[in-house]
Amino acid sequence: GDSVTQMEGPVTLSEEAFLTINCTYTATGYPSLFWYVQYPGEGLQLLLKATKADDKGSNKGFEATYRKETTSFHLEKGSVQVSDSAVYFCALSRAGLTGGGNKLTFGTGTQLKVEL
Amino acid sequence: GAGVSQSPSNKVTEKGKDVELRCDPISGHTALYWYRQSLGQGLEFLIYFQGNSAPDKSGLPSDRFSAERTGGSVSTLTIQRTQQEDSAVYLCASSLGTGGAGTQYFGPGTRLTVL
Repeated sequence: GDSVTQMEGPVTLSEEAFLTINCTYTATGYPSLFWYVQYPGEGLQLLLKATKADDKGSNKGFEATYRKETTSFHLEKGSVQVSDSAVYFCALSRAGLTGGGNKLTFGTGTQLKVEL
Repeated sequence: GAGVSQSPSNKVTEKGKDVELRCDPISGHTALYWYRQSLGQGLEFLIYFQGNSAPDKSGLPSDRFSAERTGGSVSTLTIQRTQQEDSAVYLCASSLGTGGAGTQYFGPGTRLTVL
C-alpha cells in the first residue's frame, strides 16, 4: 500500500539556519504530494503541494520539489525563524482510488524547534 | 469565510460509553474526510464522504465506528462502547472536489479521552 517516510525529529536549529526535512514515498501511479504544518495549539494547514514530477511547491519561503526518480519530496527553507517552530507532515494522495476521493496518507511528522 | 469547525473541542468519557463527534465543513465543499491522530499510529484516514455517500470506509478500525453525513453538509462520527485505545484527536477535513490534488482544509479537531 501507499506509505510516506519522513525523518525523525525533533530537529533543533538556530534562527537563520538552513532547513531540510527529508520525505520519501511509496505509491503506485502518480500521487500528488503535500507538506502540511501544525503550529502549537493549531490545526493542520497546507503549506505547499506538487501534483506532478519536477513540480516545485513553494510558500512562506519553504520549497519542495517532486522527484519521481528518487520518490522524494524534501522540504527546504533557506533561513528559518523562531515562528517556523511546528510539526511538519509530508503526505500523498492518489487519484483513481476505489470509491474516488483523494484521501491523504501521512508521514509520522517531524517536529522543528528554532531557537534564537 | 468560515473554515471547518468541529465540536466538541474536548470530550472526556468513560470506557463503554458512546460518543458523537460533529464536523461542519466549509460551505459548498462536497468531499469530507475523517482522520485520527494518535501517539501510536500518527495520522490515519478513517472515512471519506462524497455528498451524503461514503464510498470509502476502509479506515474505520472496527464496527464500533460509524459516520453519517446529511444534507451534503454536517457529518457525525459515532464511536460506540468506547475503549481506551480510541483516545486520540479526531480531525475532519473538507475539499471542494476530489479531482487531482484538491486541497483539504482541516478543522481544529476533537480531542477524545477515554478513561
